[in-house]
Amino acid sequence: EVQLLESGGGLAQPGGSLRLSCAASGFNFWSYGLHWVRQAPGRGLEYVASISTIEDTTYYGDSVKGRFTISRDDSKNTVYLQMGSLRAEDMGVYYCAREREPYVRGGPFHWGRGTLVTVSA
Amino acid sequence: NFMLTQPHSVSESPGKTVTLSCTRNGGSIASNYVQWYQLRPGSSPVTVIYEDNQRPSGVPDRFSGSIDSSSNSASLTISGLKTEDEADYYCQSYDNNNQVFGGGTRLTVL
Repeated sequence: EVQLLESGGGLAQPGGSLRLSCAASGFNFWSYGLHWVRQAPGRGLEYVASISTIEDTTYYGDSVKGRFTISRDDSKNTVYLQMGSLRAEDMGVYYCAREREPYVRGGPFHWGRGTLVTVSA
Repeated sequence: NFMLTQPHSVSESPGKTVTLSCTRNGGSIASNYVQWYQLRPGSSPVTVIYEDNQRPSGVPDRFSGSIDSSSNSASLTISGLKTEDEADYYCQSYDNNNQVFGGGTRLTVL
């Protein structure tokens, strides 16, 4: 069974940093693309970042480009989201998600439960 | 970049059929697969349709997806509506550099 477990959420100050982790199990982690997607309070789903299996190519949503970094550690079956220069609008639930098939870039298919990020002074 | 536009809200009665739309602005709807996600309050998103019209195992066959190149849009149709179908539904697609979500449609079943 595919399992994705996010952690690392919490309270951060404006301008501060936070690192989210997503520990995966139940599949060959190294062969799947992974995504971070967020939902701000009262808002819709918003694409944050992706990392592929092809030379760990990364992609970012426009609102986080230059501030967030996605990475993966295949030895730990974990994908990370390093968040910097945090703003109030970065608050929300952050979901980790996996592609449906290995080595294919499509969209999120399996989803984690999410971790809540709060940005406040 | 492109955008996916969804109606803000739709209401329908139990037992009826509802179709939610998702219109692509910029590029062809057929150029990349469309996915649909169900999001209930307090729960994680659930994939209900992938690759335009494929249904994951465990998703009832009351859910179906399609695309229409003439209107450059995708549709999610839910038949035999149940109160448990009440949720927000998001379409999603991608291009070479981006994943894009629609703004979501709140489906009310009453």
